Order: sequence, then structure tokens, then C-alpha cells
Amino acid sequence: EAQVTQNPRYLITVTGKKLTVTCSQNMNHEYMSWYRQDPGLGLRQIYYSMNVEVTDKGDVPEGYKVSRKEKRNFPLILESPSPNQTSLYFCASSRTSGGFEQFFGPGTRLTVL
Amino acid sequence: GQSLEQPSEVTAVEGAIVQINCTYQTSGFYGLSWYQQHDGGAPTFLSYNALDGLEETGRFSSFLSRSDSYGYLLLQELQMKDSASYFCAVRDGGALIFGKGTTLSVSS
Repeated sequence: EAQVTQNPRYLITVTGKKLTVTCSQNMNHEYMSWYRQDPGLGLRQIYYSMNVEVTDKGDVPEGYKVSRKEKRNFPLILESPSPNQTSLYFCASSRTSGGFEQFFGPGTRLTVL
Repeated sequence: GQSLEQPSEVTAVEGAIVQINCTYQTSGFYGLSWYQQHDGGAPTFLSYNALDGLEETGRFSSFLSRSDSYGYLLLQELQMKDSASYFCAVRDGGALIFGKGTTLSVSS
């Protein structure tokens, strides 16, 4: 089944404790991206990658890191999480580098205390 | 930079037709996309318009006017399951910018 998977789905952590949210797609897609979703603010792009070893900042990259060492994986790293990073996070992928038709993962609900 | 405006809420009854508008400001334009998101779920892709005109997919249609920097999503024969949030999105270089979303409530 074609899909985007994210792990974990739910995470409660404390300020400053490094964490990684994994994202994997099995569709051989070029484009991958991370978003955060907060009430009233819609979806805001954190980072995107148009191909392996190519990453770029989206709208709200501060406090996040990403890497794209393999085509299928695009982990999101929070080196020192803070409470303002409490949010719902989505990973997405797209067949083309244009990224218009994006397939979203199920989401990761992160709470930073 | 890019910005998109869409209404925050729309209400309608079953069987009706509803139009969700999206106006955008862009430095370059590569097309307008629409996504649907049910409460607690992941967004799902609905449509993409790169050229002016109407694209129809079943009960849903999407329209684009590049000269007016405007598009809309048209939902016909509304059903209760269409109650969801709808987002328009445009590209800014390689980044994808989403509107804040329109919450559609369908009542019986």
C-alpha cells in the first residue's frame, strides 16, 4: 500500500530533551516536506526537500533540523524542544519536485512540557 | 512573499452547492492546489489548477483566474461527510504555502 508513515504518532516530552520524528514514504517520491499545524494558523511548512541531500527552509524553520540521506526517509529533529513547539506535525511527499499533489502522513501530536 | 486569503467558515445544508474562494498574492505563480482535512485527520489532495478555467472531478470542481489572482473550490450535492476544513495552497519557489483554511459545516 502506498503510504507515508510517521513515528511516533503521539509524544509528550520535556523542554530541552532532543527528539526525532521519523518519516518514510514507499512511493519513490522526489519531494518531501514537514508541516506544523496550529489552531487558526493552518499548515505552515517547516522544511522541504526536492531530492536526496537537497533541503531548504520553509516558513517556520527555527528550532528544527532535517536531513535527506535516502530518498524514502526525511526525519525531523528537534535538538532542544521548547513549549512553543507543541503542535501537530505532518510529513508529506510528492511525486514531482513541484510538490503540488502531496500525500500526507497521519500526523504526530507533540507536547513539550 | 506569498499570501492567501480564504474565508474562515462556511455553512450549508445537505444537497446544496457551496463555493470556497481563495485569493492569493505571489511573486511568481505555479498553480493553485486544494486540500481537504477532516477533524483530526491528515490533509488529502483534491485538485490542482495551473491554467485558467474549471477542472471537474465528480462533485468537486476547482476554478482558476490567473489575471484576478483568484480561485475557488465548488462543492455540489453536499453531503454530511463533506464537513471538513478546506485549504488552498500555492508554490513559492520550492516551498508550498497554505491558506489558513475554511471550515465547512454541512447540516441536514
